[in-house]
Amino acid sequence: DAKTTQPNSMESNEEEPVHLPCNHSTISGTDYIHWYRQLPSQGPEYVIHGLTSNVNNRMASLAIAEDRKSSTLILHRATLRDAAVYYCILRDTIYNQGGKLIFGQGTELSVKP
Amino acid sequence: DTGVSQNPRHKITKRGQNVTFRCDPISEHNRLYWYRQTLGQGPEFLTYFQNEAQLEKSRLLSDRFSAERPKGSFSTLEIQRTEQGDSAMYLCASSLGLVGDTQYFGPGTRLTVL
Repeated sequence: DAKTTQPNSMESNEEEPVHLPCNHSTISGTDYIHWYRQLPSQGPEYVIHGLTSNVNNRMASLAIAEDRKSSTLILHRATLRDAAVYYCILRDTIYNQGGKLIFGQGTELSVKP
Repeated sequence: DTGVSQNPRHKITKRGQNVTFRCDPISEHNRLYWYRQTLGQGPEFLTYFQNEAQLEKSRLLSDRFSAERPKGSFSTLEIQRTEQGDSAMYLCASSLGLVGDTQYFGPGTRLTVL
């Protein structure tokens, strides 16, 4: 699975939007972009995923660059409960049929009241 | 839906002892994964099962580690002759088994080897 690069940490103010970037310059055509987050003392949880088009769900939005070499996870209004480590993960649907997740270091998001 | 459960939540053991962890996945999920996470790092894949078959093992899974999923439901992860380097959070996840599907994680078992 291709490698991703994320900032180690970011800060946000409560109720403001947060844009979490991810670079994946070696992404292949069969890689989906997945985001998981891990709240303190919990296991990771799924946030969102996409292939080429931008995606929205109740938790977040995913903006994918036209060349797919980068993406941005958008939290529209950060709350204190969004403080977590956010992982950007590429999942190859052809050569990783088993679906294992390969986590990087992630971005630790802190939210200030 | 009770989610993925793991027991025990915490385990403290002495070096050289054997330990066993249990994971109960979401009931209709065919796939079950084990990951290990050390402090400050992202989780690392260890192994996964499709029903009762263990289909992939990481190089991290040394011969002291063994995982089973005997009836395709719950799974156990055993570590024999524990070492201090085994201290970590052991995470279990399950999924339906469709391509690219979501994995649901349990809360983890934190192992401390003294």
